[in-house]
Amino acid sequence: DTAVSQTPKYLVTQMGNDKSIKCEQNLGHDTMYWYKQDSKKFLKIMFSYNNKELIINETVPNRFSPKSPDKAHLNLHINSLELGDSAVYFCASSDGQETPSYEQYFGPGTRLTVT
Amino acid sequence: ELKVEQNPLFLSMQEGKNYTIYCNYSTTSDRLYWYRQDPGKSLESLFVLLSNGAVKQEGRLMASLDTKARLSTLHITAAVHDLSATYFCAVHNDMRFGAGTRLTVKP
Repeated sequence: DTAVSQTPKYLVTQMGNDKSIKCEQNLGHDTMYWYKQDSKKFLKIMFSYNNKELIINETVPNRFSPKSPDKAHLNLHINSLELGDSAVYFCASSDGQETPSYEQYFGPGTRLTVT
Repeated sequence: ELKVEQNPLFLSMQEGKNYTIYCNYSTTSDRLYWYRQDPGKSLESLFVLLSNGAVKQEGRLMASLDTKARLSTLHITAAVHDLSATYFCAVHNDMRFGAGTRLTVKP
């Protein structure tokens, strides 16, 4: 049973479009995250979110917005896509309440290509 | 701003040899993580280091944390080809990742 899943796995779209990436976790975790991995494999956190607090990396353009319909889901909406948005986006989750480690479990990633 | 520096960024090793990857960070943190990423794959958690002096071992990999020196190490013992991957450290503050160390183990 997949712990953290993302859809779609691949997404090819044109500049200016709006798209969403979905993330679901079945681990019962209370915190979820979105990361961007660029072509040089550098990983940067974009958002972390639990039912109490959304923490936004200040460098993330406001074209990106996380939406959480419930504790098990954190979707990523991207408006007006730009070429520089092409990357692999990873969702992750952690449980910081039951265990203090905040160990994160990553989804398989979504490769976004903007043409 | 928190900075996390890994070195080396590229490491080519012979099978059977030992080596250490270093992760330095610029501000105080009491938690540090090591992840492995295979090409085209997701990240797999290797170690969670929760306190100063923490040492964890799994197979041929051993990780340690010195919070006073703001340094973590990932030691590879008697490398095998299956260890070829990219290894990332990440500091709990802001979940900032190092640039990754791309390890290649050659026969």
